[in-house]
Parts: sequence; structure tokens; C-alpha cells
Amino acid sequence: EPEVTQTPSHQVTQMGQEVILRCVPISNHLYFYWYRQILGQKVEFLVSFYNNEISEKSEIFDDQFSVERPDGSNFTLKIRSTKLEDSAMYFCASGAFYNEQFFGPGTRLTVL
Amino acid sequence: AQSVTQLGSHVSVSEGALVLLRCNYSSSVPPYLFWYVQYPNQGLQLLLKYTTGATLVKGINGFEAEFKKSETSFHLTKPSAHMSDAAEYFCAVSDPNQAGTALIFGKGTTLSVSS
Repeated sequence: EPEVTQTPSHQVTQMGQEVILRCVPISNHLYFYWYRQILGQKVEFLVSFYNNEISEKSEIFDDQFSVERPDGSNFTLKIRSTKLEDSAMYFCASGAFYNEQFFGPGTRLTVL
Repeated sequence: AQSVTQLGSHVSVSEGALVLLRCNYSSSVPPYLFWYVQYPNQGLQLLLKYTTGATLVKGINGFEAEFKKSETSFHLTKPSAHMSDAAEYFCAVSDPNQAGTALIFGKGTTLSVSS
């Protein structure tokens, strides 16, 4: 069964460094998403991407964040200058119909 | 704006007992409704969804949920709990009039199952 994959599974970085989180969505899906989950809290929406552009973003998704679909398969989230409060689990998701979304296993980002 | 309330951050049941996890939503129109399960250190797995049609929906692992418009609820049930059901459960909604829109999640309910 097709699934969403994410790399790396765990990323440790120093405050102020740039990180890129990578995702390979399910191949025939049209919509792509990033969510984050701070430890012990609920899953929060960051951004959605459709037809090669951002379709929706939350107030969390500020200028420090950017997304790209550099080729036909990968979908990336870049954090330009990481802060301690960016430490969280980041989930990629993709979807096709009825807003049903399939999630990847997540990347745990630890900012020191 | 849409929102989701999950009553009870932690629910404990005995193996074999009924599982009931509550979810209420707030939305100007009946939303699409989802339940996801998250096992420790894993991603979110879709358990079941309601979009249109029959209001009682069945999902994986013996779970089901009923959409009750009058009560703005979408509670998750399972007749007989198994140890492997211990996990975090999230209810989520999305706007049916916006294709590809974000899911709005509740805060989650941790289900513990004792033998």
C-alpha cells in the first residue's frame, strides 16, 4: 500500500541553523501538507500546497518557514533560522479526495 | 471558524470493556469528520471518516463512529477493548466546501487499557 515517507526521522540542530525536512507524498495525490506537534500537545496545521503553490497557511507559518516541491516526488519544509520553540514532531501529509489526509511517520526536530 | 473538543484527555478501560471516546465539533456547516490514532513514536493513522451518506461509519481495528448532527458529535466506539488499542486518539474536522483544506485537530485522548 502506498505511504508517505519522511526523512530524516530525527534531526538535531543548533539554534539559528537552517534545517530542511523532506517528504515523499503518495504519488497520485494532489494536496500536500505540513503539520507539527509539540510534545504533549495537539497536532497543528502549518501549510498546504496545491498546484505548485501555497494554498493555505496558519499564523505559525511565518517568514522563517518555506515549502518547495523541487521535483515530481519530493516536498520539503525549510526552517531558515531555527529557534528553541521549533522543537517538535513535524508531519507531512498528502491527500486527494474529501480532504482525507495520509500522514507520514514524522521527523522529530530537536533544537539545542 | 471550526473547532474540535475532545472530552476527557485520558480514558482508562479494562480489556474487553466498551471504549467510548468523545468528540464534539463547532462548525457553521456539517464538516467532514475524521478519527486518527497515534501509537507511541509513530505517525497518525486514519481510523475512519465521515463525509456524506450513512452516519454510522466503520473503520479499522473494530472501531466505529456515528455522526449526530443534532448533537454536533462524532464519538468513537469499540465494543471490546484490546491491549493493542492503547494509544492517542485524535478527532479532526475539515471544511467540506474547501477542497484540500487543513484538518483541525482536537487535543487528543489517551486511551489506556488494563488487563
